[in-house]
Amino acid sequence: NAGVTQTPKFQVLKTGQSMTLQCAQDMNHNSMYWYRQDPGMGLRLIYYSASEGTTDKGEVPNGYNVSRLNKREFSLRLESAAPSQTSVYFCASSATAIQETQYFGPGTRLLVL
Amino acid sequence: AQSVTQLGSHVSVSEGALVLLRCNYSSSVPPYLFWYVQYPNQGLQLLLKYTSAATLVKGINGFEAEFKKSETSFHLTKPSAHMSDAAEYFCAVSRSGGYQKVTFGTGTKLQVIP
Repeated sequence: NAGVTQTPKFQVLKTGQSMTLQCAQDMNHNSMYWYRQDPGMGLRLIYYSASEGTTDKGEVPNGYNVSRLNKREFSLRLESAAPSQTSVYFCASSATAIQETQYFGPGTRLLVL
Repeated sequence: AQSVTQLGSHVSVSEGALVLLRCNYSSSVPPYLFWYVQYPNQGLQLLLKYTSAATLVKGINGFEAEFKKSETSFHLTKPSAHMSDAAEYFCAVSRSGGYQKVTFGTGTKLQVIP
């Protein structure tokens, strides 16, 4: 039981490049989330998926897109990376509602030059 | 709108001393409250949560927190700090009912001095 896994662990991009962050969970959870963590700002919700087939914007969605590929997988895409997107990205999942216990992946450190 | 404030971005305690990490929340309806811990280079994991049952909530690793409605607080405590407690701690709030987003505090880094 791996929990929540994320790939890659670390990535360096040049401004304007695109990339997709992958997330998978093996806990049969319905809900999945993408957060970014920046120093002094806590975690901010980018997008979430309440259940398979649905996605909604969170607090800071600009510059990102998501895909809920199936119940297990939820990817985050940066179409044209900007230095302001340098951050640590966490994927999380919960059984159902967003206010339930969330289980987090190990994170992806992204540096945009 | 809901919000959470963590007082002190850095807290240092001696090994064996009391740990007290402060969290105050704002919510217009009864809240759900959480404490998460993040060890270096890892994701967050739940320490404990309050969902309107007992006001004193016990969590993992000897931590506990008390919900005080009159003070709108949910401070995290541990009687005796251990070196392994060094981490960053996040308080979070959510409204009960429906599908409500969780708002995280800015975090408190706990340093334990031997």
